[in-house]
Formats: sequence, C-alpha cells, structure tokens
Amino acid sequence: ILNVEQSPQSLHVQEGDSTNFTCSFPSSNFYALHWYRWETAKSPEALFVMTLNGDEKKKGRISATLNTKEGYSYLYIKGSQPEDSATYLCAFIQGGSEKLVFGKGTKLTVNP
Amino acid sequence: GAVVSQHPSWVICKSGTSVKIECRSLDFQATTMFWYRQFPKQSLMLMATSNEGSKATYEQGVEKDKFLINHASLTLSTLTVTSAHPEDSSFYICSATPGTGTDTQYFGPGTRLTVL
Repeated sequence: ILNVEQSPQSLHVQEGDSTNFTCSFPSSNFYALHWYRWETAKSPEALFVMTLNGDEKKKGRISATLNTKEGYSYLYIKGSQPEDSATYLCAFIQGGSEKLVFGKGTKLTVNP
Repeated sequence: GAVVSQHPSWVICKSGTSVKIECRSLDFQATTMFWYRQFPKQSLMLMATSNEGSKATYEQGVEKDKFLINHASLTLSTLTVTSAHPEDSSFYICSATPGTGTDTQYFGPGTRLTVL
C-alpha cells in the first residue's frame, strides 16, 4: 500500500507570514507528484505537476520543490493572504500507474 | 477553462434506494474520468477509472455491482450507488482529464451522500 504523508495536518498563520508544508511519498518508482489547492465547497484546483528531481515550480506567491531521491516535496506560500486559506493536497503517481494516491492534506488558515 | 461540474452537490436518501451522481466536463472532452470517495478525516481514495465507451476499472475492495459507472460520452460519467446503506454515506468526487491519468486531473466540487 502506497503511503503519502502530509505535515502538518493543520496550520494557522497571520496575514503576511510565509509558510511551508511537506508531502512525503515513496522514493522508489516515482513518476509524478501533483499539488492541489482545495477551498471549502469548491473544486480542488490544480497547482503543480512535478516530475523531475530538483524541479521547482512557481505560481504567483506559491512555489513547490521536489526531491524524488528522498521522497519529499515542499510547498511554500510567501506573504500569506486570507484568500490562501484552503486545504493543500499532494498526490503521488507511481511509475506504470495512472492513479493519484492522495495525502490527507494540510489545512491552512490565514488570519487577517 | 477545464471546468468539471457535479450534480447533485448533496443528497439524502433512505436505505435501500439508489442514487445517481453525474459528472460533466463543461469545456473539454474527457478521455478519462475518475471517481473518488472521501470518508471523514481520510484522504481521497480512488474508486474507479472510466474511459468513454468502455467498462470502468474498479479499485480493489470497491464492489462494481454496487457502484455502477457509466461513461456514456466524452463529457459525461455517472456513478450510481445501488441499494445504498448508511455505510455508503460519504463524500464522492469525480475528476476528468483530456489526457491520461498522469496528466492534470480537473475535479468537480463533489457530492455529499447521506444514507438514512
């Protein structure tokens, strides 16, 4: 059974703070890692698809890095805003598969 | 672009009845659609993968006779929970992709099913 872990489970920060959280996944037979942002009562929104070791991707104030050799990815948010409040999900795809295996997510709350 | 709708957003039904949930890709043709289920405090778990015009592929432990999936067109997939029981109460969410499952999947907003 593939195990994808996200930490922390939840996080409260003040507006303007920068923050980061972690996704851990199996380091063997890696194919891709997806990050999603999920606001309450909305559809999960795709942020990044990462495939290469050392990948760094950026979308506005959000960026992500990938280390496939040690099996982790970091998501960074610079200068958090209340609208960044959401659950951030990562999902791992193993080589030879098309299935997303999700972590439980990190719930971020940004207080004004 | 890449919008997926899901209907209904919530449903309450009596034990023993069947419930149909629709998933539509509104602005692209979905080669592949996926159905997931999420129980409280758990991660999204893949139930089945469906390709237009062919039978769905179910994950281990998911009863295909209970969770009927029909991917009748490139923009519509339906999940029917047959003879629902309280243990089927969960959050069901679909996703669709114009490519393969390794490409970005676009998700619907989900359906909350409560079986009394």
